[in-house]
Amino acid sequence: AQSVTQLDSHVSVSEGTPVLLRCNYSSSYSPSLFWYVQHPNKGLQLLLKYTSAATLVKGINGFEAEFKKSETSFHLTKPSAHMSDAAEYFCVVSEVRRGQNFVFGPGTRLSVLP
Amino acid sequence: DGGITQSPKYLFRKEGQNVTLSCEQNLNHDAMYWYRQDPGQGLRLIYYSQIVNDFQKGDIAEGYSVSREKKESFPLTVTSAQKNPTAFYLCASSHRTGSAFFGSGTRLTVV
Repeated sequence: AQSVTQLDSHVSVSEGTPVLLRCNYSSSYSPSLFWYVQHPNKGLQLLLKYTSAATLVKGINGFEAEFKKSETSFHLTKPSAHMSDAAEYFCVVSEVRRGQNFVFGPGTRLSVLP
Repeated sequence: DGGITQSPKYLFRKEGQNVTLSCEQNLNHDAMYWYRQDPGQGLRLIYYSQIVNDFQKGDIAEGYSVSREKKESFPLTVTSAQKNPTAFYLCASSHRTGSAFFGSGTRLTVV
């Protein structure tokens, strides 16, 4: 069975400093991994995805994530936080067997301080 | 524009009423999903459908029903059997592999 752990429920950074949001996953098969962002009362927007190609994945808005199979991790990073990055971030794992099933982590709320 | 549309944005339900949330996509995706989101929690899967005329229960299907008569549409009915329906509901669609695309959500409140 798949599962996702997001190690921090809330992360607070100052504007212009690096962002690190941590994610560990469990999967019986070769998974696809995603990061989504949700602003208040909005739907989810895809930031980036890993689907067994390059282990370092670049996404939108300067975010990137590195897939580390040995550590079962897929941490999200950004070199310099912007005020507009304040939102909820979800790490998601998916397996394709009899159809695709997405499993969401509990989310990490990112606050950006001026 | 291709996308996934949920309506209405806000919905109010009286005790004992059934209400239906609409979800339509024009992305030609085979799979569609309904999730429930409660404050401070992640998304929990209610129902999903991989093809037309077929759907499967997710983790919290009790008190909900769905239909998939057309590829583009996957409506969710919140029945009176759902004792705590106040939540934010998100619909998504995807190809058989690849990322999911989400609608903008429906906020349901019991009054």
